[in-house]
Amino acid sequence: DTAVSQTPKYLVTQMGNDKSIKCEQNLGHDTMYWYKQDSKKFLKIMFSYNNKELIINETVPNRFSPKSPDKAHLNLHINSLELGDSAVYFCASSQTGTLSPGTQYFGPGTRLLVL
Amino acid sequence: RKEVEQDPGPFNVPEGATVAFNCTYSNSASQSFFWYRQDCRKEPKLLMSVYSSGNEDGRFTAQLNRASQYISLLIRDSKLSDSATYLCVVNVSPYDKVIFGPGTSLSVIP
Repeated sequence: DTAVSQTPKYLVTQMGNDKSIKCEQNLGHDTMYWYKQDSKKFLKIMFSYNNKELIINETVPNRFSPKSPDKAHLNLHINSLELGDSAVYFCASSQTGTLSPGTQYFGPGTRLLVL
Repeated sequence: RKEVEQDPGPFNVPEGATVAFNCTYSNSASQSFFWYRQDCRKEPKLLMSVYSSGNEDGRFTAQLNRASQYISLLIRDSKLSDSATYLCVVNVSPYDKVIFGPGTSLSVIP
């Protein structure tokens, strides 16, 4: 049973297109995240949702729009894709405690290549 | 200054060696600290949390020095399977962002 799953695993598309990446977790966690890992392998948080509410929105272009239909799902829609959007996008989830954000469980990643 | 900084690496060590990684963080209000491991082309996975008094898990020992805002990870008796990138992770409060360091690459050589 995959704890955090993402689809698709690979995405190759043209500049200017709109694409979505889906994420689902079956761990019963209350918080979900989207991270971007660029070619230099630096992992940066983009968004965080707690119980379907947006709690972290880093400096991300508004072409990126997350949507959380329920606690178990956090999808990422990207409009007007640009070359610089090429990266690996990781979804993660955790159970936020009173003192700690909790262990982050990551999905396998979506490798996005914009041509 | 970056929020979380790590030794640039890469570290190339022979099997059986002891290797130490360092990490510094800039926000003195940070409360939670972790080490994650990321294998090539895979997702990051938690290696261990770091507690104030230091903690050990088998061959791995983590230390925290709040005064110096410094975290370390020591790996004893390195195995080939330890080859990976080790990410230092810091968090200020549970609903604040989790900040990943740039990672240190380790290659354990036969």
